[in-house]
Amino acid sequence: DAGVIQSPRHEVTEMGQEVTLRCKPISGHNSLFWYRQTMMRGLELLIYFNNNVPIDDSGMPEDRFSAKMPNASFSTLKIQPSEPRDSAVYFCASSLSSGVSDTQYFGPGTRLTVL
Amino acid sequence: QKEVEQNSGPLSVPEGAIASLNCTYSDRGSQSFFWYRQYSGKSPELIMSIYSNGDKEDGRFTAQLNKASQYVSLLIRDSQPSDSATYLCAVRNGGFKTIFGAGTRLFVKA
Repeated sequence: DAGVIQSPRHEVTEMGQEVTLRCKPISGHNSLFWYRQTMMRGLELLIYFNNNVPIDDSGMPEDRFSAKMPNASFSTLKIQPSEPRDSAVYFCASSLSSGVSDTQYFGPGTRLTVL
Repeated sequence: QKEVEQNSGPLSVPEGAIASLNCTYSDRGSQSFFWYRQYSGKSPELIMSIYSNGDKEDGRFTAQLNKASQYVSLLIRDSQPSDSATYLCAVRNGGFKTIFGAGTRLFVKA
């Protein structure tokens, strides 16, 4: 079975440009998470979707960040305009929510570098 | 106080020894506890989950949970060089949000 798929795997862009990260969750999973990982701040939850609906976006750093999940098999995280401090590895994870025992499966991540 | 705290390490153990990784959490309402392993440049992968007080064993791995002390640990028996990685403790409350610790780097010396 295919795991969580993310694209692109690497993205290098210049400050001010728009960046779109993509995620395809595991088929049948109903929860999707976007995380950001840096050396300084570790793994941070940005936003969580359940059944395609954003439940909590309190981790989204600012209005420059937005996320969508138009259907159960696709989600995007957009940064506009991008800044150097956005450089990080962005992970998408999915799970089948079933009470307290749902396990999150992570995608390979997108390494973003903003120059 | 951080919500999930781990010693950043590095923790260095000789091959064949027991590695002990510790984690404390602040939310007493937490119900689910996870240990993820992350190799350098890779994504986190789940190795253990535990939901009730006591020990849970899976092969060379044992997770221990003490809710009264708000403490969860991971023991790795017969440590191998391939166990060298960063181990992330994750804690989930009764809702959906999972908080990750900063991770402990483990080195197993051959």
